[in-house]
Amino acid sequence: RKEVEQDPGPFNVPEGATVAFNCTYSNSASQSFFWYRQDCRKEPKLLMSVYSSGNEDGRFTAQLNRASQYISLLIRDSKLSDSATYLCVVTGRGSTLGRLYFGRGTQLTVWP
Amino acid sequence: ETGVTQSPTHLIKTRGQQVTLRCSSQSGHNTVSWYQQALGQGPQFIFQYYREEENGRGNFPPRFSGLQFPNYSSELNVNALELDDSALYLCASSLKVNYGYTFGSGTRLTVV
Repeated sequence: RKEVEQDPGPFNVPEGATVAFNCTYSNSASQSFFWYRQDCRKEPKLLMSVYSSGNEDGRFTAQLNRASQYISLLIRDSKLSDSATYLCVVTGRGSTLGRLYFGRGTQLTVWP
Repeated sequence: ETGVTQSPTHLIKTRGQQVTLRCSSQSGHNTVSWYQQALGQGPQFIFQYYREEENGRGNFPPRFSGLQFPNYSSELNVNALELDDSALYLCASSLKVNYGYTFGSGTRLTVV
């Protein structure tokens, strides 16, 4: 079983739409949670951390449900520039401290 | 402050050959991790170095090896290359283990 499972999509939405991505993780001891964004053929870049209380950064809202081991990302008012692959990431704990476990990514295309 | 730099950016090798990839970590970062990202997949943890010592290894065979130097730069060596080794190799550095990671732009390796 993979550490992090994500729906690969693709998601194709018009500008201005709201889109939600979800992922689940298998290790209940996972310590930290993130969403990364990766543009085509580029390196992943940190989009935002995810906290149990939920957090918002402009048009982006992330949620963590530790009981269900579920992470979500909501993008409101989608822009063309949001087109990218969104990677759900959790970190290890104990002997796997410092490792990032990535989902396979969800591809988003925003069209005009 | 310079970011993480990787070299070369692209590389083509023949099956059975050996390759060395290089990473210069961000200034002040003593922890370096290497990831392999196959097409359509999320990055997979290869190993991590902390202050010149290997500090954790993922599910990769021994023909994947590494080094970290006193200036915290790092090398990834792959022996006896296989076609499945074709991937984007990413280096990430951090101020300390399990702290925020900065990724380099990667080396795209093609094995033919």
